[in-house]
Amino acid sequence: EAQVTQNPRYLITVTGKKLTVTCSQNMNHEYMSWYRQDPGLGLRQIYYSMNVEVTDKGDVPEGYKVSRKEKRNFPLILESPSPNQTSLYFCASSLDRDDQPQHFGDGTRLSIL
Amino acid sequence: AQSVTQLGSHVSVSEGALVLLRCNYSSSVPPYLFWYVQYPNQGLQLLLKYTSAATLVKGINDFEAEFKKSETSFHLTKPSAHMSDAAEYFCAVSRPGGANNLFFGTGTRLTVIP
Repeated sequence: EAQVTQNPRYLITVTGKKLTVTCSQNMNHEYMSWYRQDPGLGLRQIYYSMNVEVTDKGDVPEGYKVSRKEKRNFPLILESPSPNQTSLYFCASSLDRDDQPQHFGDGTRLSIL
Repeated sequence: AQSVTQLGSHVSVSEGALVLLRCNYSSSVPPYLFWYVQYPNQGLQLLLKYTSAATLVKGINDFEAEFKKSETSFHLTKPSAHMSDAAEYFCAVSRPGGANNLFFGTGTRLTVIP
């Protein structure tokens, strides 16, 4: 089954404790991206990647890092999480940058205390 | 610059009534436009997309949207609401750099009243 898998689905942690949210897709997609969803703000893109070792900033990259060492994985790293990063995070992938639909994961709800 | 405005953060309709969710866009280039739906505790699913072909776009579950350049609008409609349509709906516009580089609106939550 074609899918985008995020882990964990839920996480409560404390300020400053490094965390990684993993994202994996099994469709051999080139394009992957991370969004955060906040009430009243919709989805905002954090980072995207057009292929292995190619990443770029989205609209709200501050406080986040990503890497794309393999085509299937696109982890989101919060080196020093802060409460304003409490949010619902989505990973998405598509065949290439012109392909729709993007396939979305089921989301990761992060709470930073 | 690209932007999207969704009018009405909450819309309620009766079961069987017309659904109309409004989206206006701003784009410096001919846009690609999309509607996505998000059911509770799930990711987003593509409902339909406009990519400069027909201006009336049909999507899944009897949804459709009409691209009106003169009004810079891309409103989503469905003739008859079902209870299962209750969800959050997002309009999105592409931006330079690829159709997949999307800018999302703030969303409209649809409630269907039995």
